[in-house]
Amino acid sequence: RKEVEQDPGPFNVPEGATVAFNCTYSNSASQSFFWYRQDCRKEPKLLMSVYSSGNEDGRFTAQLNRASQYISLLIRDSKLSDSATYLCVGDSGGYNKLIFGAGTRLAVHP
Amino acid sequence: GAVVSQHPSWVICKSGTSVKIECRSLDFQATTMFWYRQFPKQSLMLMATSNEGSKATYEQGVEKDKFLINHASLTLSTLTVTSAHPEDSSFYICSAPVRDRVYEQYFGPGTRLTVT
Repeated sequence: RKEVEQDPGPFNVPEGATVAFNCTYSNSASQSFFWYRQDCRKEPKLLMSVYSSGNEDGRFTAQLNRASQYISLLIRDSKLSDSATYLCVGDSGGYNKLIFGAGTRLAVHP
Repeated sequence: GAVVSQHPSWVICKSGTSVKIECRSLDFQATTMFWYRQFPKQSLMLMATSNEGSKATYEQGVEKDKFLINHASLTLSTLTVTSAHPEDSSFYICSAPVRDRVYEQYFGPGTRLTVT
């Protein structure tokens, strides 16, 4: 079983739609979680950290449920520029490493 | 602007040759850097942790004699793919944590290696 699992998609949505991505992790010792965005043939870039209390950054909202070992990302009012692969990332539980999910592809169309 | 640079951004080499990839932290020092590999439509897989002034720590299944890592200064780590084969063709990305917050990593732009 992979340590971080995501639905690979792709999610094809029209502009203005709301889309939600889910992610599960298996290492109960993991403490820190993040969403990264990766454009085609580019490096990942940090989108936002994920906190148990939930956090919001503009159109993006992230949520962590430690009991279910589940992480989510909600994107409201999708833009064409949101088209990318979204990577769910967790720490390795004390080994100073990041564990990446395989990513969920999002395609926003006009 | 970019805080981590990589060179070269892409390279094509013949099977059996060696390729060196450089990763530099710009405007900050990095005692630790990470090397990842990403195959098409797959996740980033950590290959090794590069430690300034000491040996790199390799992940299980990564051949340390094939992927030589040198972290000779606080701003430079190099990955050398020795005796490259077509199956080594991949996207190699380095990263460095900023301000000792290991989970907040800045990634280099990546190096696309094609072995013919």
